[in-house]
Amino acid sequence: QKEVEQDPGPLSVPEGAIVSLNCTYSNSAFQYFMWYRQYSRKGPELLMYTYSSGNKEDGRFTAQVDKSSKYISLFIRDSQPSDSATYLCAMSDSGGYNKLIFGAGTRLAVHP
Amino acid sequence: DVKVTQSSRYLVKRTGEKVFLECVQDMDHENMFWYRQDPGLGLRLIYFSYDVKMKEKGDIPEGYSVSREKKERFSLILESASTNQTSMYLCASSLTSGPEGGELFFGEGSRLTVL
Repeated sequence: QKEVEQDPGPLSVPEGAIVSLNCTYSNSAFQYFMWYRQYSRKGPELLMYTYSSGNKEDGRFTAQVDKSSKYISLFIRDSQPSDSATYLCAMSDSGGYNKLIFGAGTRLAVHP
Repeated sequence: DVKVTQSSRYLVKRTGEKVFLECVQDMDHENMFWYRQDPGLGLRLIYFSYDVKMKEKGDIPEGYSVSREKKERFSLILESASTNQTSMYLCASSLTSGPEGGELFFGEGSRLTVL
């Protein structure tokens, strides 16, 4: 079993839809949770970062962490065609912040 | 803006060849990383470096080595390329190892095909 599970999709939604992207994990020591966005033929870039449990909002994006269920989510409101990308969840424990464990990535397509 | 530059975007090599993948960052970051990205497997850490001439194995170091002679440059070496090393290779850097400044900045990737 992988430490981090992420549905690869693809997920196709109409413009304006609310998108929910999710990851589950098995290591209860994970404390830092990140979402990276990767456009086609580009490297990933950090989108959201959350420490421990709770919610974090940044514009149209909301990251949620539920440590009791070992489940993290990224919500995108009012999705735009420019949101079309692969979204990678990543996480680490306190001992190795830079030693991230990545999910496989979910490919999202937002069509006009 | 931080820029991480990978010198080769696409390479085609033959089995048994020695392969060098070069990565340069221009923001004086302490930490540099090499990942490979494969469909369904996500990014997996090959090697990382916290300082010049310092290296640590990641999760999948077998078949790879690295070199960091200067702070800004981190090279990934495949001593004898094999077909199972066909992949996208991503270099990244970060300022620190903690949550503040620990964001990874990635290059655009080097797609290696080994025939």
